[in-house]
Amino acid sequence: GAGVSQSPSNKVTEKGKDVELRCDPISGHTALYWYRQRLGQGLEFLIYFQGNSAPDKSGLPSDRFSAERTGESVSTLTIQRTQQEDSAVYLCASSSTGWGWANVLTFGAGSRLTVL
Amino acid sequence: KNEVEQSPQNLTAQEGEFITINCSYSVGISALHWLQQHPGGGIVSLFMLSSGKKKHGRLIATINIQEKHSSLHITASHPRDSAVYICAVSYNNDMRFGAGTRLTVKP
Repeated sequence: GAGVSQSPSNKVTEKGKDVELRCDPISGHTALYWYRQRLGQGLEFLIYFQGNSAPDKSGLPSDRFSAERTGESVSTLTIQRTQQEDSAVYLCASSSTGWGWANVLTFGAGSRLTVL
Repeated sequence: KNEVEQSPQNLTAQEGEFITINCSYSVGISALHWLQQHPGGGIVSLFMLSSGKKKHGRLIATINIQEKHSSLHITASHPRDSAVYICAVSYNNDMRFGAGTRLTVKP
């Protein structure tokens, strides 16, 4: 697609429920990143996918968080048993191959998650 | 101490002024990014730097690898430049963000 697409744009859920957030990167971009931004706070890196390599999951805040990516396309970020502190905007970005981390990032509009 | 420090935290300027935002980091990096977050929340990547200087329109970004320091300059600032500017560094398989600089340009 023309840009990075994220869905849903807004999600309100009850504490304890599971949520799944989706990211469609720019076609041809092999690198995909997930970030989180809590209200009034800075960006927080969560996880990074590069091509078919296994992702580095060390940035995920807890074992309730998991992320998958199908080949070099769509990625889903799943949060199990959501807690109120999970409320945040979850941002996805992608970049093209060649330089790994040193590429310019293109961000999606984000998915705003509110856990009641 | 955060790996990425930005200054100032808040900056108010009059239209037309020259703006400088600074970023210092403490880790060895592969690249440094300057991001712009609009009041509506959208994030745009302005620059990716690994050395030297880049210019795009009224925006200039410089980096000094030896001093672990980068600056973002805005010439002839305009109210539409009002946003939060975020410095981010990437290294190994990680990325760290500065807390951001909130810029307000008054007409």
